[in-house]
Amino acid sequence: AQKITQTQPGMFVQEKEAVTLDCTYDTSDPSYGLFWYKQPSSGEMIFLIYQGSYDQQNATEGRYSLNFQKARKSANLVISASQLGDSAMYFCAMREMRGSTLGRLYFGRGTQLTVWP
Amino acid sequence: DVKVTQSSRYLVKRTGEKVFLECVQDMDHENMFWYRQDPGLGLRLIYFSYDVKMKEKGDIPEGYSVSREKKERFSLILESASTNQTSMYLCASSFSRGGTYEQYFGPGTRLTVT
Repeated sequence: AQKITQTQPGMFVQEKEAVTLDCTYDTSDPSYGLFWYKQPSSGEMIFLIYQGSYDQQNATEGRYSLNFQKARKSANLVISASQLGDSAMYFCAMREMRGSTLGRLYFGRGTQLTVWP
Repeated sequence: DVKVTQSSRYLVKRTGEKVFLECVQDMDHENMFWYRQDPGLGLRLIYFSYDVKMKEKGDIPEGYSVSREKKERFSLILESASTNQTSMYLCASSFSRGGTYEQYFGPGTRLTVT
């Protein structure tokens, strides 16, 4: 079974609007972390935001926020006030704390976001 | 700033050739990773390493091997390149203790095997 599921292969949003990119995860580990990365067409992977499983508040970084719903195993990325430069591939990822795989991330298949003027 | 560098951005090799992809990080990270990225499949882990001379298989190790002789350098080796290994290869590194274990990525190597 996939540990990270991103069900939206592509999303479109108009400039200045907000957009939500979906991510669900699967783990039995009570301690884990969730990440979002952005990959522009140039190819580099850019870290955006992190949420720990024990964090009480939803993580925010500028225009990015992570809508963390633990019971639903959901970690959606919300981008407010979209900009043309937000057009990119977005990946959700998870780290589990147990065992010898500390530091390993499991990635979803990604969502291609296109922002139009 | 953390810097992860990869030896080539683009590489073209012939079927059957032995291919070396090099990755170097300058942040004294214990962990290093090799992924391949294919359209619609996301990032898939090939191999990772927690320390010098230590390695663990990821999800798709077949046809690949790795070498980590120095802490800062992690090499991916395609013993006999095949056309189905045409892909984007991404290297990453992270700390092994404390913090978020955020991974820092290199710019990627786009490998074409003909």
